[in-house]
Amino acid sequence: GAVVSQHPSRVICKSGTSVKIECRSLDFQATTMFWYRQFPKQSLMLMATSNEGSKATYEQGVEKDKFLINHASLTLSTLTVTSAHPEDSSFYICSARVLGTGRYEQYFGPGTRLTVT
Amino acid sequence: AQTVTQSQPEMSVQEAETVTLSCTYDTSESDYYLFWYKQPPSRQMILVIRQEAYKQQNATENRFSVNFQKAAKSFSLKISDSQLGDAAMYFCAYRSAQVVVEGGSEKLVFGKGTKLTVNP
Repeated sequence: GAVVSQHPSRVICKSGTSVKIECRSLDFQATTMFWYRQFPKQSLMLMATSNEGSKATYEQGVEKDKFLINHASLTLSTLTVTSAHPEDSSFYICSARVLGTGRYEQYFGPGTRLTVT
Repeated sequence: AQTVTQSQPEMSVQEAETVTLSCTYDTSESDYYLFWYKQPPSRQMILVIRQEAYKQQNATENRFSVNFQKAAKSFSLKISDSQLGDAAMYFCAYRSAQVVVEGGSEKLVFGKGTKLTVNP
């Protein structure tokens, strides 16, 4: 149980275009999902907290107009990187917490590698 | 703000031996959760073990156990009978137990990680 999927696993796009990454909780509901960014050989950096039915909460220094987050249902959150540039190339990981069970651990998706050319 | 420190960038262990990974954290909160996550080369983050700060008993999951020292703010991970499949990056993480509506945050604060190599 507690499986989180991400799609796509890899994406290459041209500079200036937008890319959407999906995060789905497959066997549980999640009112809250989290989006992280990981640079090579570094730790995970939280970008934003995604709340179902409301606006996302962004961490300091993260451009909310560049990284658009939508959490339209209890099983799906999306991250759209708008007007992507080479410096946006990174590994993006989402996570979700199981709702309503009192459990507090986060389960992670397999990540999406974004390359902007 | 809470911080998590992993002072060992890299560690190595012989197969079947035991290794301990260190983690210290800083917080002013009295109730929180601590985690160890494993990230193998596939990059999939896998929960290894979790500890509630209010519990004095150290958590154990098969070959993985922790040494939780609340006063010292230390949370080390011991891997017994190391296997080749244990080779990965290991991240220590902290999460507040304070309810969100009371100003708490569900976000995880990660350390920088320790790369574990298991030698055959």
